[in-house]
Amino acid sequence: GENVEQHPSTLSVQEGDSAVIKCTYSDSASNYFPWYKQELGKGPQLIIDIRSNVGEKKDQRIAVTLNKTAKHFSLHITETQPEDSAVYFCAATIQGAQKLVFGQGTRLTINP
Amino acid sequence: KAGVTQTPRYLIKTRGQQVTLSCSPISGHRSVSWYQQTPGQGLQFLFEYFSETQRNKGNFPGRFSGRQFSNSRSEMNVSTLELGDSALYLCASSLAGGPGETQYFGPGTRLLVL
Repeated sequence: GENVEQHPSTLSVQEGDSAVIKCTYSDSASNYFPWYKQELGKGPQLIIDIRSNVGEKKDQRIAVTLNKTAKHFSLHITETQPEDSAVYFCAATIQGAQKLVFGQGTRLTINP
Repeated sequence: KAGVTQTPRYLIKTRGQQVTLSCSPISGHRSVSWYQQTPGQGLQFLFEYFSETQRNKGNFPGRFSGRQFSNSRSEMNVSTLELGDSALYLCASSLAGGPGETQYFGPGTRLLVL
């Protein structure tokens, strides 16, 4: 079955710096890769997603890149702010299945 | 539009009991998925319902079951609770559960089994 590995498990950066979180997936049939942000006491919230026919997608300070050949995708957050502190999850899903397979999560801390 | 709502938000049960959790999807959404979140195993898929039918199922024992009603609201049931069932149970909804559709999560129900 599909497996998603996420690194690092914790990440601490200075406010204003960039943060990068990386994920690899095992199933080459995976075609949809969302990123979720989870704050304490809340459910995961979608922040950006990418489909397998696209190599990069940006939304203001957030960007995601996808390398299908290497089967990995990354989240980039620029100009980090204290409100970016949260746990971030990558996920993958294969065509025809609504099931999301999640990475183990990255706890991001932004230091003022 | 109101988001995904889950009730109750917190539950305490004892081993051997059963529990029913409820999820109301975003208005117009017909697909509801359930996930279990624990510190050790992370987020794991339980099952997905669409038009009152279970379409996908994760690798959980038969003690975990669910159903969906004609108004798309969904319930999940866990029978004969075990200590390891303590977790945050998350419900997510999407329009039709099609490929690459965004899933919107509720705040979860935190279950503690004593």
